[in-house]
Amino acid sequence: QKEVEQDPGPLSVPEGAIVSLNCTYSNSAFQYFMWYRQYSRKGPELLMYTYSSGNKEDGRFTAQVDKSSKYISLFIRDSQPSDSATYLCAMSEVGGATNKLIFGTGTLLAVQP
Amino acid sequence: GAGVSQTPSNKVTEKGKYVELRCDPISGHTALYWYRQSLGQGPEFLIYFQGTGAADDSGLPNDRFFAVRPEGSVSTLKIQRTERGDSAVYLCASSLMHGNYEQYFGPGTRLTVT
Repeated sequence: QKEVEQDPGPLSVPEGAIVSLNCTYSNSAFQYFMWYRQYSRKGPELLMYTYSSGNKEDGRFTAQVDKSSKYISLFIRDSQPSDSATYLCAMSEVGGATNKLIFGTGTLLAVQP
Repeated sequence: GAGVSQTPSNKVTEKGKYVELRCDPISGHTALYWYRQSLGQGPEFLIYFQGTGAADDSGLPNDRFFAVRPEGSVSTLKIQRTERGDSAVYLCASSLMHGNYEQYFGPGTRLTVT
């Protein structure tokens, strides 16, 4: 079983829809949670990060962490065709010798105009 | 400012050859990471540098893989006796310092071993 599970999709939605992307994880030591966006043949771009539990909002994007359920989510409001990309969740333990990120497989999102 | 840069962007090599992949991190970032991303997968950790030293190389798949960062800035990932299974996108990321968890990625080097 992988430490981080993510539905690979693809997920297709109409423009303007609310998108929900999710990951589950098994390692209770994870404390930092990130969402990256990756366009085809590009490197991952950091969208949002959250420490421990709670919500964080940035424009059309909201990240949620529920540590009791080991479940994180990214919501995209008023989705646009330019949001079409692969969304990767990533997590890290705190205080170790390394800050390495453990990634999900990514969810491919297509926003149809 | 300039982001993380990686060269070459694409590398095609024959099985058994030696390759070097270069990463230039964001100026002032002391922490540097290498990851490998196979098709349809998320990036997988290879090695972490804090300054000039490799603080964690637990993700290197075998002893054909080696990385250096001699002056604490540019890093080179070296792969000996390449195999077809090494074909992937090799990504470099940097962060400001150890304990800062925001990692910024470069565009990657797409390695194809024929």
